[in-house]
Amino acid sequence: GENVEQHPSTLSVQEGDSAVIKCTYSDSASNYFPWYKQELGKGPQLIIDIRSNVGEKKDQRIAVTLNKTAKHFSLHITETQPEDSAVYFCAASMGEKLTFGTGTRLTIIP
Amino acid sequence: GAVVSQHPSRVICKSGTSVKIECRSLDFQATTMFWYRQFPKQSLMLMATSNEGSKATYEQGVEKDKFLINHASLTLSTLTVTSAHPEDSSFYICSAREGPRTGFFGPGTRLTVL
Repeated sequence: GENVEQHPSTLSVQEGDSAVIKCTYSDSASNYFPWYKQELGKGPQLIIDIRSNVGEKKDQRIAVTLNKTAKHFSLHITETQPEDSAVYFCAASMGEKLTFGTGTRLTIIP
Repeated sequence: GAVVSQHPSRVICKSGTSVKIECRSLDFQATTMFWYRQFPKQSLMLMATSNEGSKATYEQGVEKDKFLINHASLTLSTLTVTSAHPEDSSFYICSAREGPRTGFFGPGTRLTVL
């Protein structure tokens, strides 16, 4: 089955700086890669996703890049703000099921 | 669009009792819903996949007789934790599929078994 690794597990960034979270996946058949933000005591919220026929996607301060050959994808958050502090999960899917990474706790330092 | 709700948001019960958690898609029809369990500071683990009108498909290691799933309509799936024990205490989250897009999550249900 699919295996998704995520790094780093924790990340502290000064407010205004950029944050990058990286994930690798094992199954080359995976074709859908969403990113989720989870705040304490809440369900995950989809923040951006990318499909395998696209190499990069951007939505305001958030961008995701995908390297199919290397089987890795990354989340980039620019101009970070305190409200970006949360746990971020990457995931990979080739059908209905999502396989999640282990999560990254992002802390924005004011 | 693609809003998923769960009820209750949190529940505390005594050991041995059963607890039902509802998952609803509010503004779309979800042919498939998924149930996850999340322990503190851990990732989401898929428990089962439910399709409207058919039996749920459980992941390896998940007891189907303990975690009963009913997907009665295109907007409602329920998870019943039967004879709950303290080790079942966890955060239970559902998600729903809308067409080709999957992974719209509910807000989660915090279950505490005393």
